[in-house]
Amino acid sequence: GAVVSQHPSWVICKSGTSVKIECRSLDFQATTMFWYRQFPKQSLMLMATSNEGSKATYEQGVEKDKFLINHASLTLSTLTVTSAHPEDSSFYICSASPLLAGVGTDTQYFGPGTRLTVL
Amino acid sequence: AQSVTQLDSHVSVSEGTPVLLRCNYSSSYSPSLFWYVQHPNKGLQLLLKYTSAATLVKGINGFEAEFKKSETSFHLTKPSAHMSDAAEYFCVVTLYNTDKLIFGTGTRLQVFP
Repeated sequence: GAVVSQHPSWVICKSGTSVKIECRSLDFQATTMFWYRQFPKQSLMLMATSNEGSKATYEQGVEKDKFLINHASLTLSTLTVTSAHPEDSSFYICSASPLLAGVGTDTQYFGPGTRLTVL
Repeated sequence: AQSVTQLDSHVSVSEGTPVLLRCNYSSSYSPSLFWYVQHPNKGLQLLLKYTSAATLVKGINGFEAEFKKSETSFHLTKPSAHMSDAAEYFCVVTLYNTDKLIFGTGTRLQVFP
């Protein structure tokens, strides 16, 4: 149980185009979903927190107009990288915090990640 | 502010020997601490979680970690390494009064036959 999927697993796009990444909780409902960015050989950095039906909360330094987050349902969140540039190339990881009694809100289940390469 | 420091970027062990991955934390309150493992092309998996119920926490796959407040440490150990343990390991702390996770820089564990 507690599986989170991401689609696509990798994507290559041209500079200036937009890319959408989906994050789905497959067997549970998620009150909150998180988006992280991981540079090669570095740690995960939280980009934003999203709750179903409300606007995402972005971390300091993250451009909300470049990284659009939509949390349309309790099982789906999307991250759209708008007007992508080579410096946006990275590994993007989502996680979901389940809506379950007795499960702490700090429990997160992670997706496998999406590798974005912008040419 | 809360933070974690992973003292080793790389650890190499032989199969069957003990594993020790070191983590120190900084927190002005009693934190929740985690260890996650990241295998290539797989999502991060929770190994174990400390939430003040017991200082010795047992996790999956034979891993355990001991919370030592006096040393502000939360080291991860396993008595006998297996080839399948080779991966990146992250020590994680929660940001006070939120559900946000703060990750350490990671330790890459190599296991040699």
